Amino acid sequence: GAGVSQSPSNKVTEKGKDVELRCDPISGHTALYWYRQSLGQGLEFLIYFQGNSAPDKSGLPSDRFSAERTGGSVSTLTIQRTQQEDSAVYLCASSLGLAGGLFTDTQYFGPGTRLTVL
Amino acid sequence: QKEVEQNSGPLSVPEGAIASLNCTYSDRGSQSFFWYRQYSGKSPELIMSIYSNGDKEDGRFTAQLNKASQYVSLLIRDSQPSDSATYLCAVNILVGGGFKTIFGAGTRLFVKA
Repeated sequence: GAGVSQSPSNKVTEKGKDVELRCDPISGHTALYWYRQSLGQGLEFLIYFQGNSAPDKSGLPSDRFSAERTGGSVSTLTIQRTQQEDSAVYLCASSLGLAGGLFTDTQYFGPGTRLTVL
Repeated sequence: QKEVEQNSGPLSVPEGAIASLNCTYSDRGSQSFFWYRQYSGKSPELIMSIYSNGDKEDGRFTAQLNKASQYVSLLIRDSQPSDSATYLCAVNILVGGGFKTIFGAGTRLFVKA
């Protein structure tokens, strides 16, 4: 079946512009995660959705970052007034979440969106 | 203290040797543990998951879990150059009405031919 898809694959924008990143999870996966990865660094957790709710928003770096999920499926990560330090690969992952149970939850990652802020 | 800690490496081993990757975690309530592999420029992919104390083997890979010591490790036997990648340790923790996965920063492994 289809995996996690993300769009766009690459985004170049100018400082101060707003950007929207999209994630389509695997069908039936109730949990959805957003991460950020800078070059040569580990995964930085941004936000986690269970269904349409976000139990944990603690990883969002600032109020310029927001995310939503509708219909328990597609999610959009929005970055307002982008800064150069926002340049990174933004990864989305989905999992069965509570539907699958804590013990068996495996995250499946999308290919990422490479964001470059000039 | 970081929730999940790994030695960043790089860890360099000769081809055919055993590579040992280690991870410690801080939340004693953690119940499930995962190892992901990430090739350069690619997304992470799951290698193994482990939930009970002891060893779990899958081919050349063995995951080891010690909840009392809050320690999880990954052994790669007969290491191959194709195993060269960053290995991410991940732990599920309870949060609010659900849970989330916390990743370590990863250990870079180089297998020399």
